[in-house]
Amino acid sequence: GQSLEQPSEVTAVEGAIVQINCTYQTSGFYGLSWYQQHDGGAPTFLSYNALDGLEETGRFSSFLSRSDSYGYLLLQELQMKDSASYFCAVRAYGGATNKLIFGTGTLLAVQP
Amino acid sequence: KAGVTQTPRYLIKTRGQQVTLSCSPISGHRSVSWYQQTPGQGLQFLFEYFSETQRNKGNFPGRFSGRQFSNSRSEMNVSTLELGDSALYLCASSFGGGEYEQYFGPGTRLTVT
Repeated sequence: GQSLEQPSEVTAVEGAIVQINCTYQTSGFYGLSWYQQHDGGAPTFLSYNALDGLEETGRFSSFLSRSDSYGYLLLQELQMKDSASYFCAVRAYGGATNKLIFGTGTLLAVQP
Repeated sequence: KAGVTQTPRYLIKTRGQQVTLSCSPISGHRSVSWYQQTPGQGLQFLFEYFSETQRNKGNFPGRFSGRQFSNSRSEMNVSTLELGDSALYLCASSFGGGEYEQYFGPGTRLTVT
């Protein structure tokens, strides 16, 4: 089976840096994705790590360590609009499939 | 390019009734996946359709079913509704198989009373 664990809540202040961790257990692994979801909105894709290391996209970076079954999303220069839920996700293993297994989600609250 | 659209956006049903939700993927996308989102269980995979064929199915009872049409539009149906079916139902589309990025619609908020 597959499971992904994240902290349930994280609080940070505007302008700060925050890291959201994701640990996973999977029978197979294609890569780790991150999605952002504002309250009442649709999840939107943020980043993807297929290989170990850091991927940077503007203020957001994502890291993956396959040997540790661990990844994180790093948000820099936090803005109020970053307040949202963040989900890590893996694509289910085995053939061509778009079945995503999502983590438990982390609610990020950015305070002024 | 228009995004993923879902109809209706909100729905209230009573226990025992059945409901059909609709999803129109991004033009050119052939894969449509459905997810159920609840506060307690998070985002859970329901099923995925590709070229009118169900390619994957999650761990949901047979009351949950779906289909995809030749234009890639998809519907999901829930029969004999239960209170626990109250949730946000999201569909996501992608071009084909194995992409790491999926595009989600705004969801249908289903309330079962």
